[in-house]
Amino acid sequence: AQSVTQPDIHITVSEGASLELRCNYSYGATPYLFWYVQSPGQGLQLLLKYFSGDTLVQGIKGFEAEFKRSQSSFNLRKPSVHWSDAAEYFCAVGSSIGGSYIPTFGRGTSLIVHP
Amino acid sequence: GAVVSQHPSWVICKSGTSVKIECRSLDFQATTMFWYRQFPKQSLMLMATSNEGSKATYEQGVEKDKFLINHASLTLSTLTVTSAHPEDSSFYICSATGLASYNEQFFGPGTRLTVL
Repeated sequence: AQSVTQPDIHITVSEGASLELRCNYSYGATPYLFWYVQSPGQGLQLLLKYFSGDTLVQGIKGFEAEFKRSQSSFNLRKPSVHWSDAAEYFCAVGSSIGGSYIPTFGRGTSLIVHP
Repeated sequence: GAVVSQHPSWVICKSGTSVKIECRSLDFQATTMFWYRQFPKQSLMLMATSNEGSKATYEQGVEKDKFLINHASLTLSTLTVTSAHPEDSSFYICSATGLASYNEQFFGPGTRLTVL
């Protein structure tokens, strides 16, 4: 069975500082990997995704993520955090098994941004 | 493209009543739709997966008689919470995948259900 681990429940950074949110997955092959952001009371917004190809993926809002097969990781990064980035971030894995799409979410990391 | 809507965005109901939540794919045909439940400050919990024209597949621990899911067309799925109780209060989110995007989910904005 596939699984997603986001080891950090909360991350606190100062505005302007760099950010890295960790995500590790467990899956037999190369899964489809996603990062979503959720503001309070809102739905999920896709930041970026990785299916294949270049392992460094650029997303919206200045975010990027790097797929590292050897470490089973897909960490999210941003060089300079803005106060508006404070939100909940979810890493997710998707796989197609027998024609069915199986999604799995991490528990989420809450990003707190200090002025 | 790939827009999913949910209606209503929030609903308040009395205990014992039933509530229906609609999930629509606006610009694509959704072959599969997913229903999630999210408690405050927690991750999304997959409740069920539905394919158009088929019965939904429920995750372990989800009461199929309480959470009725219908996916009658390629653009509409409904979740009916029957005989709702305060413990059913939650944020319900749907997502959909389509023929051209079978490996990616597109999420609706969510529905906040409060049962008094």
